[in-house]
Amino acid sequence: KAGVTQTPRYLIKTRGQQVTLSCSPISGHRSVSWYQQTPGQGLQFLFEYFSETQRNKGNFPGRFSGRQFSNSRSEMNVSTLELGDSALYLCASTNRGSQETQYFGPGTRLLVL
Amino acid sequence: QKEVEQNSGPLSVPEGAIASLNCTYSDRGSQSFFWYRQYSGKSPELIMFIYSNGDKEDGRFTAQLNKASQYVSLLIRDSQPSDSATYLCAVKKSGDDKIIFGKGTRLHILP
Repeated sequence: KAGVTQTPRYLIKTRGQQVTLSCSPISGHRSVSWYQQTPGQGLQFLFEYFSETQRNKGNFPGRFSGRQFSNSRSEMNVSTLELGDSALYLCASTNRGSQETQYFGPGTRLLVL
Repeated sequence: QKEVEQNSGPLSVPEGAIASLNCTYSDRGSQSFFWYRQYSGKSPELIMFIYSNGDKEDGRFTAQLNKASQYVSLLIRDSQPSDSATYLCAVKKSGDDKIIFGKGTRLHILP
């Protein structure tokens, strides 16, 4: 079974731009969670989508948004990028209702200049 | 109080010894606990999960959970240099089911 895939793997943007990241979960998994990882703050929860609905949301500003499609693929969008948004963005796929363990994708490393 | 706390390390352990990694959590109602390993530049990889009080063993790894003390630990027996990584503790909160991660403990196995 294929793992979680994320695209793009690396991205360089400038302040004020917006960015869209994509995540395809493991086949059959309907839950997708997004995390931001920085050296100082560690892994911070952004949001979770399940069956195209946002199920949970972390403490991030409204510039961070996401959505999920009917095939469970998910996108997250960050508008008006700031320098502090430079981070590794990780997507995790979960088979809710099973053992509910999360499996992470390789991540998208975003650099904001 | 942080929701999930870990000593950042680095924790240095001689090869072949037992590495002990600790984690405390604040939500007393939490039911599910996870340990992830993350190599530098890579994404977290699930090592173990534990739901019940006591010990759970999987190969060289043992997870220990004490809900009364709100404490979960990971023991790595016969430590190998390949075990050198950052170990993340994660807790699934009661109520909203969010999974919250600690900042991780860096483990260095000395050859």
